[in-house]
Amino acid sequence: DQQVKQNSPSLSVQEGRISILNCDYTNSMFDYFLWYKKYPAEGPTFLISISSIKDKNEDGRFTVFLNKSAKHLSLHIVPSQPGDSAVYFCAASRIHTPLVFGKGTRLSVIA
Amino acid sequence: NAGVTQTPKFQVLKTGQSMTLQCAQDMNHEYMSWYRQDPGMGLRLIHYSVGAGITDQGEVPNGYNVSRSTTEDFPLRLLSAAPSQTSVYFCASSYSIGTGYSYEQYFGPGTRLTVT
Repeated sequence: DQQVKQNSPSLSVQEGRISILNCDYTNSMFDYFLWYKKYPAEGPTFLISISSIKDKNEDGRFTVFLNKSAKHLSLHIVPSQPGDSAVYFCAASRIHTPLVFGKGTRLSVIA
Repeated sequence: NAGVTQTPKFQVLKTGQSMTLQCAQDMNHEYMSWYRQDPGMGLRLIHYSVGAGITDQGEVPNGYNVSRSTTEDFPLRLLSAAPSQTSVYFCASSYSIGTGYSYEQYFGPGTRLTVT
């Protein structure tokens, strides 16, 4: 059973607009959530994270929102740039257990 | 720091052959793991290690063996390759998995394996 779900396999956004990537999880024991970005032929790279004690974390153009009651998190990218085109993975963890990844969402930012 | 390195970058095997994918990190990370990425399946955990001499199975461990004799190295062995093991393999490392350190994992560049 998938514990971390990214229900949108792909998303297209115009340059300069907001990109919103969504992620749902089923395990209420998860206490830390991360977003990774992956370009073709490269390994995933860490983008931003959030602890379950927070509901928002911001880093430049990237903001992650966590809604614990809905078991939902989202990544906002504002403004979107062509270089943001990549696959984005949501991941979740709880203490002493490995990260669990979603299947990823391919973001295409169109100039 | 080189970070996480993986060799080889590409490999083609015939069914039944064995091989070892190499992974090394120079960040003194305790935790290392292996993932495979398949189209539409995301990143699935194969095996992981919380320190030298300690390994455990992930979500998809069948057909793979690991060992961790040093902090730096975490090789993944395919005992008898099958076409279902055609995939891109990523090694990752981090300081720990939840003893007060960051959960952030650093990934290697990947090994693309094809089994014919």
